[in-house]
Amino acid sequence: DTGVSQDPRHKITKRGQNVTFRCDPISEHNRLYWYRQTLGQGPEFLTYFQNEAQLEKSRLLSDRFSAERPKGSFSTLEIQRTEQGDSAMYLCASSSETGRTGELFFGEGSRLTVL
Amino acid sequence: AQKITQTQPGMFVQEKEAVTLDCTYDTSDPSYGLFWYKQPSSGEMIFLIYQGSYDQQNATEGRYSLNFQKARKSANLVISASQLGDSAMYFCAMREGSSGTYKYIFGTGTRLKVLA
Repeated sequence: DTGVSQDPRHKITKRGQNVTFRCDPISEHNRLYWYRQTLGQGPEFLTYFQNEAQLEKSRLLSDRFSAERPKGSFSTLEIQRTEQGDSAMYLCASSSETGRTGELFFGEGSRLTVL
Repeated sequence: AQKITQTQPGMFVQEKEAVTLDCTYDTSDPSYGLFWYKQPSSGEMIFLIYQGSYDQQNATEGRYSLNFQKARKSANLVISASQLGDSAMYFCAMREGSSGTYKYIFGTGTRLKVLA
């Protein structure tokens, strides 16, 4: 299977704890994106990478959120001192700059519940 | 400013009928791409169709077609011959290209229910 994979699929944590999500994109894709989706809403852009460079980060994103893609392959999204409002589905997607359409390929998401 | 607007929170359609899901967008970038995604209750995002801003013809992919009206900044998705499996959330998205960044912005979605 060469799709986008995310881990863990589900995470339940207590308020104030740190959590980390991992995303493995499609291997030949150089762009990687993180989105947050709450129930009944569309995906909200968080940040994206081209290779290892983080090119844009949402201004809505708190300093508690940080993302890395150290070798231009997999990426991690860390949330420090979680709050109940962080409960959401965190979606990772990747794309290739060489394709005609450049559509995003999404993983199945990591669902976070903060108690 | 919201760049993608989907004004229909929910839609119903009878099986085998056609349905149009609305999407309007706002951009000053002459180069952009428009996308539609389907999200079934299982949660995965499935790419359906793409329209580039310079494409002369409306995009079609099987039962999906995109009614692209550039002057009106609309990119409506038409699903023909609806099937029960089409019941899902549908999201319109836009990617602006000229600025050198490739951020994709999504609308709030339309929930489609196909009735037997």
